[in-house]
Amino acid sequence: QLQLQESGPGLVKPSETLSLTCTVSGGSISSSSYYWGWIRQPPGKGLEWIGIIYYSGSTHYNPSLKSRLTISVDTSKNQFSLKLSSVTAADTAVYYCARVSDQLLPYFDHWGQGTLVTVSS
Amino acid sequence: SYVLTQPPSVSVAPGQTARITCGGDSIGSKSVHWYQQKPGQAPVLVIYYDSDRPSGIPERFSGSNSGNTATLTISRVAAGDEADYYCQVWDINVLFGGGTKLTVL
Repeated sequence: QLQLQESGPGLVKPSETLSLTCTVSGGSISSSSYYWGWIRQPPGKGLEWIGIIYYSGSTHYNPSLKSRLTISVDTSKNQFSLKLSSVTAADTAVYYCARVSDQLLPYFDHWGQGTLVTVSS
Repeated sequence: SYVLTQPPSVSVAPGQTARITCGGDSIGSKSVHWYQQKPGQAPVLVIYYDSDRPSGIPERFSGSNSGNTATLTISRVAAGDEADYYCQVWDINVLFGGGTKLTVL
């Protein structure tokens, strides 16, 4: 049974860097069949795609976040991570990690439970 | 840039059929995926590739896609189907619709 679990600070100060890790269990992050992704949801709002990474390290980012975003993978720990710099209150959201099927027509078939990150001083 | 348009809300009586639309320019030429999100929970994939169902999703959930509209259809709606539903496509980037709140009357 594949499981994904987000972890990281729940409170980040404005202008600092938001860092989250997604730990994958019940499956290998090095599988050639899947990508891995991040999605966020501001309180009371809809879903926003953040970015996708392959086990090789190849990435694809949301253009609106690209200048502040780094997604990386650690195959030895079966984890992938998100760093978002220069955060503001607009980055307050529940952050989800997910497995991505089909690199050509991607969809998210397994999701973590999500973690709320609040940006506030 | 490509935009997906969903109605903010849809209401249906128990036992009836709910249809949730997702509009986009020539969306019929794209593959549409649908997610169900209940309050306080992570989204769950309910339809992929327009009309395929993941294992464990009831047959009451079906999808179609043609022209400028994709549709998620939920037959014999029950109280447990009350949730937000999001459509999603790939258009150079991953795009989500704004979401539709399904209310079971």
